[in-house]
Amino acid sequence: AQRVTQPEKLLSVFKGAPVELKCNYSYSGSPELFWYVQYSRQRLQLLLRHISRESIKGFTADLNKGETSFHLKKPFAQEEDSAMYYCALFTGNQFYFGTGTSLTVIP
Amino acid sequence: EAQVTQNPRYLITVTGKKLTVTCSQNMNHEYMSWYRQDPGLGLRQIYYSMNVEVTDKGDVPEGYKVSRKEKRNFPLILESPSPNQTSLYFCASSPDRDTTGELFFGEGSRLTVL
Repeated sequence: AQRVTQPEKLLSVFKGAPVELKCNYSYSGSPELFWYVQYSRQRLQLLLRHISRESIKGFTADLNKGETSFHLKKPFAQEEDSAMYYCALFTGNQFYFGTGTSLTVIP
Repeated sequence: EAQVTQNPRYLITVTGKKLTVTCSQNMNHEYMSWYRQDPGLGLRQIYYSMNVEVTDKGDVPEGYKVSRKEKRNFPLILESPSPNQTSLYFCASSPDRDTTGELFFGEGSRLTVL
C-alpha cells in the first residue's frame, strides 16, 4: 500500500543551522514526490517537486529510490522558514500526504 | 485572481443534518480533490476528480459524496454528518496530467458536527 512517513512531528533548529526534514515513502511504481508548505495564516502551497530538481527558498530535496526517501534540506535555516511541511506522493491519480513536520527556527 | 474558493469557511452543525461544502476554481483546472486534515494524521484524500463527470474514491471516502457536473465546481456532500467528520477540509485543484502535482489549495473549511 502507498504510504508517506514523516517521522518528526516537531523540529526546532537555531537560525543559521542546517535543517533536514525527513520523508520516506512506500510505493511500488515510479514515484512523483513533492514537498508542500503551510506558513502561518497562508494556504498550503507547493515548495518543490523532485522531477524539476530545483532549489526553492534555499531548500533542496533528492529522491533516493534505494532508500525510498525524499528528505528536505536547507544549509542555513532562516526564521521565515518556520512553517508546517508536508511530504506528498502522487501515484498518477491519488495523492498521499505525510503527517507533517512543524519546523520552528529559533532566532 | 486565480484561486480555489471554499464555502463555508466555518460551520457548526448537528448529527444527521445534510450539508454541502462548495469548492470552485477559476483556473480551468481538470483535476480537483478533497482532503481532510486531522491532528496526527496529516491530510487524507477523500475524493478526487480527473475531469468533468469523472470522480473516484480516495483514502477516506466513507460518509462523503461528491459531484463534478462542471469543470469549475466540486462540492463535497455530507448526507448524514456524524461527530467523527469534525475536521478541517481542504479542496485543491491541479491543471492537468502533465503538470499534476502542483495542487492549488483553498483556504480550508472547519466543520464541527455536534
